[in-house]
Amino acid sequence: GQQLNQSPQSMFIQEGEDVSMNCTSSSIFNTWLWYKQEPGEGPVLLIALYKAGELTSNGRLTAQFGITRKDSFLNISASIPSDVGIYFCAGQSYPGGGADGLTFGKGTHLIIQP
Amino acid sequence: GAVVSQHPSRVICKSGTSVKIECRSLDFQATTMFWYRQFPKQSLMLMATSNEGSKATYEQGVEKDKFLINHASLTLSTLTVTSAHPEDSSFYICSARDWSSGGAGTQYFGPGTRLLVL
Repeated sequence: GQQLNQSPQSMFIQEGEDVSMNCTSSSIFNTWLWYKQEPGEGPVLLIALYKAGELTSNGRLTAQFGITRKDSFLNISASIPSDVGIYFCAGQSYPGGGADGLTFGKGTHLIIQP
Repeated sequence: GAVVSQHPSRVICKSGTSVKIECRSLDFQATTMFWYRQFPKQSLMLMATSNEGSKATYEQGVEKDKFLINHASLTLSTLTVTSAHPEDSSFYICSARDWSSGGAGTQYFGPGTRLLVL
């Protein structure tokens, strides 16, 4: 099956620093999504990417859909304490009308040191 | 964004009993919902795709007779864990696909249900 490699696995940064994480896939996806999950809660959608090469921002967050359709990155600028959590990338194949679920990366645990 | 709810938020049951978890899309209709399972410190793993008005599609290795899925309406899917055992203890999360964004649609997740089987 499809696999997503998400890195880094964890990040320890200082408040105010920029953050960058990425996902690569062994196969092509037609949609890339980035979610944030806090303990005991479901994932919350941050950014959705639907076209290869697409660059989308949501406040301090920016994500890009790689040209090859096999990778995506998420950047967080000027991190603040509430950015703490686990960030997941997810890919969707959507083969022409299909209803596939998402394939998730293993997550990046973001920890912010005061 | 769209809102998805789950009920109950947590449940504790005895081994051998069955547990039903509900997933509802509150402000949109969802012909397709998905059920995921997440073990501690791990990622979400897709269990099955729930299709309104038809049978669910299960991922490889997921027992359809143990995890019964019913998608009775455009806003409700239920997952029943039958004859639960301690190894079924996990965080179960549903998602619903909102097609209004076009393309492949966008999946919105519920808050999850924590199941503990004693």
